[in-house]
Amino acid sequence: DGGITQSPKYLFRKEGQNVTLSCEQNLNHDAMYWYRQDPGQGLRLIYYSQIVNDFQKGDIAEGYSVSREKKESFPLTVTSAQKNPTAFYLCASSMQSDTQYFGPGTRLTVL
Amino acid sequence: DAKTTQPTSMDCAEGRAANLPCNHSTISGNEYVYWYRQIHSQGPQYIIHGLKNNETNEMASLIITEDRKSSTLILPHATLRDTAVYYCIVRPQASYGNKLVFGAGTILRVKS
Repeated sequence: DGGITQSPKYLFRKEGQNVTLSCEQNLNHDAMYWYRQDPGQGLRLIYYSQIVNDFQKGDIAEGYSVSREKKESFPLTVTSAQKNPTAFYLCASSMQSDTQYFGPGTRLTVL
Repeated sequence: DAKTTQPTSMDCAEGRAANLPCNHSTISGNEYVYWYRQIHSQGPQYIIHGLKNNETNEMASLIITEDRKSSTLILPHATLRDTAVYYCIVRPQASYGNKLVFGAGTILRVKS
């Protein structure tokens, strides 16, 4: 099946710990994106990548880091510098600047 | 990006057509109208998009007014599984990193 996978579905982290969220796609899409969604709110862009080994900050990049070593993978690290990391994290991909397709999401909770 | 205005919520009887309106009076000539929906605790699902002409796919139809200031998403035969938040978004097509701006959307409740 072609699609976008995110793992894990639920993630718990202690304060002060870094944690990495996985995003993989087998759609051969060039661009990948990370969004954050808080309860009852819309999505906010964290980082995006147009091609391998290149990525740009979105609106709320502080406290997050990404890498794009492979076309199909775009992992997001939530660092201890992120003050309010508890949220629903969504990964998306698109063919160049075309329609974005989303993964199922990872719900991160800081204990 | 142009802003959109949608009703907060709507109800629809199962099996009937659900018509979800969206106003985007400040839309620019190069901006497309996109519709996504989000079922609780899942990622947004792409439904359909269009520029000027009406569009139809296996999920829905999109009707865009001639002046492009508003549009309507039509689910022809709503089922209980169509209960979700529906988002209308306008954005230029050729725009990397042009984030999708999700507003509050319309909560559609399909009732049996």
